[in-house]
Amino acid sequence: DGGITQSPKYLFRKEGQNVTLSCEQNLNHDAMYWYRQDPGQGLRLIYYSQIVNDFQKGDIAEGYSVSREKKESFPLTVTSAQKNPTAFYLCASSESSYEQYFGPGTRLTVT
Amino acid sequence: AQSVTQLDSQVPVFEEAPVELRCNYSSSVSVYLFWYVQYPNQGLQLLLKYLSGSTLVKGINGFEAEFNKSQTSFHLRKPSVHISDTAEYFCAVSDKRVSQKLVFGQGTRLTINP
Repeated sequence: DGGITQSPKYLFRKEGQNVTLSCEQNLNHDAMYWYRQDPGQGLRLIYYSQIVNDFQKGDIAEGYSVSREKKESFPLTVTSAQKNPTAFYLCASSESSYEQYFGPGTRLTVT
Repeated sequence: AQSVTQLDSQVPVFEEAPVELRCNYSSSVSVYLFWYVQYPNQGLQLLLKYLSGSTLVKGINGFEAEFNKSQTSFHLRKPSVHISDTAEYFCAVSDKRVSQKLVFGQGTRLTINP
């Protein structure tokens, strides 16, 4: 089955800890994306990568970091510098065509 | 830069009634337009897209949308809704020149009442 997997589905962390969210795709897509979703605010782009070993900041990159060492993988680290990290995080990928395909999401709760 | 406005944050309708979810966009360039659906605690699934050609676009689950360039709108419609259509719906736009970046609206929560 082709698709995007995100793990874990639920993640709990203490304030001040860094946490890494996993995103893997077997669609052979070049581009991958990370979004943050908060109630009533739609999706906001955190980082995106159009090719291995290259990535760009999105609209709300502060307090986050990413890497793209393999085509299939695009992990997101939520650092302790992110002031309000509790949210639903969605990973997506796309080919040179136009629509993005989304993973099931990771709900992060920081207390 | 593009922006998307979904005019209703919540839309309640009765089962088997028609529904329209409204979306307006702002852009100085030609765009591609999308509607996605999100069921609770899940990712987004593409309902339909407008790239070019006919302004009436048909998607999955009986939904359709009409691109109106003069009014910069892309409203989503379904003639008869079902309980299973209860979900959040997102309109999104991308710049034709940089097609891989999507800008999303705030979402419309569609609730179907029996």
